[in-house]
Amino acid sequence: QVQLVQSGAEVKKPGASVKVSCKASAYSFTPYSIHWVRQAPGQRLEWMGWINGGNGNTKHSQKFHGRVTITKDTSARIAYMELSSLRSEDTAVYYCARASGTKLFDYWGQGTLVTVSS
Amino acid sequence: QSVLTQPPSASGTPGQRVTISCSGSSSNIGSNTVNWYQQLPGTAPKLLIYSNNQRPSGVPDRFSGSKSGTSASLAISGLQSEDEADYYCAAWGDTLNGPHVVFGGGTKLTVL
Repeated sequence: QVQLVQSGAEVKKPGASVKVSCKASAYSFTPYSIHWVRQAPGQRLEWMGWINGGNGNTKHSQKFHGRVTITKDTSARIAYMELSSLRSEDTAVYYCARASGTKLFDYWGQGTLVTVSS
Repeated sequence: QSVLTQPPSASGTPGQRVTISCSGSSSNIGSNTVNWYQQLPGTAPKLLIYSNNQRPSGVPDRFSGSKSGTSASLAISGLQSEDEADYYCAAWGDTLNGPHVVFGGGTKLTVL
């Protein structure tokens, strides 16, 4: 069955960067896009950006002011999300999710907890 | 960044029908389809409804969605205890910086 498996939890200091991976399996990677969504403790879901699984085009939320970079390794079927200049407010669970056209997020990764603390 | 508006909480008793609203604008719900998700504590969200009113396979027909203008609704009939969860709406939004996805603030459903 379709699976998105994410990398493990991370603890980072303020100002550092974190890179989270999302490995896809059991479906053709290129026709779908991978989005990144985060959820701070007790807060709502927040969209971060996405990458086209075929041509690699990306788009990210203006909120992150260029701190987020989304990439992919098509041959390995892995998408990555890197967030730089971390601050305490970036402490959250980060999810990857699959999308196709208007069908947003039919499969989700298990989530990766990123804790930013000095 | 625009956000879709949902009531923070909703409740019902087993067997009842409850609805959760999601209000947006002409740049998101008014011009794009709506998706709904269920999130149980400590787990990733699960897609319940896509394209306003379509259910993925495996989602019970107790769950239904609708959209009118710049608002959408999720209805849950025959409420069950396992429906107690957080529910989110989402849609593409159109901005000067290009398309992005917007989420509602989430509605915590309590089964009394």
